[in-house]
Amino acid sequence: KAGVTQTPRYLIKTRGQQVTLSCSPISGHRSVSWYQQTPGQGLQFLFEYFSETQRNKGNFPGRFSGRQFSNSRSEMNVSTLELGDSALYLCASSSGDSGANVLTFGAGSRLTVL
Amino acid sequence: AQSVTQLGSHVSVSEGALVLLRCNYSSSVPPYLFWYVQYPNQGLQLLLKYTTGATLVKGINGFEAEFKKSETSFHLTKPSAHMSDAAEYFCAVSTGFQKLVFGTGTRLLVSP
Repeated sequence: KAGVTQTPRYLIKTRGQQVTLSCSPISGHRSVSWYQQTPGQGLQFLFEYFSETQRNKGNFPGRFSGRQFSNSRSEMNVSTLELGDSALYLCASSSGDSGANVLTFGAGSRLTVL
Repeated sequence: AQSVTQLGSHVSVSEGALVLLRCNYSSSVPPYLFWYVQYPNQGLQLLLKYTTGATLVKGINGFEAEFKKSETSFHLTKPSAHMSDAAEYFCAVSTGFQKLVFGTGTRLLVSP
């Protein structure tokens, strides 16, 4: 069974640019959630999508957005990049039907903003 | 609001020694608790989880954790450390559908 796939794995952008990250969940999983990991702030929840609807949102500015497609694949977008957006962005998928669900994480997309 | 505290940003043990990583949680409702491990340049891998039922939970790679409601703790243990256990470990509590609140992590160092 294929795991959670994130692309690209590494990318470098400059301040003011925008970036789109992609996540393909495990087959059959309808929930995709996104987390940001930085040395200073640790792991923080960005948002979660279930059946193409955003069901939960963390405390991030509107520059961070996402969407989910009918095949459950998800993308997140960060506009007007800032230096502080440099981070490892992790995507996780699950069946989405319970708070006890195990989240399966991808390897992450490491974003560097110069 | 639910939260998690991990005591000790770094824990050092010798190979073969007991591993103990501490996690305390705060939750107004019965919690769902998780331990994840992260190896360098990788995502998070589930070690074990507690939802309901038996309070001693066994996970992968010989790890286990005990849910103690009276102490609001969910400490992770392994009887004998192996070099391959060196990684960063995260305790997390579920605050709703697919929304985890993570602790700050504990880096486990294993020396020969």
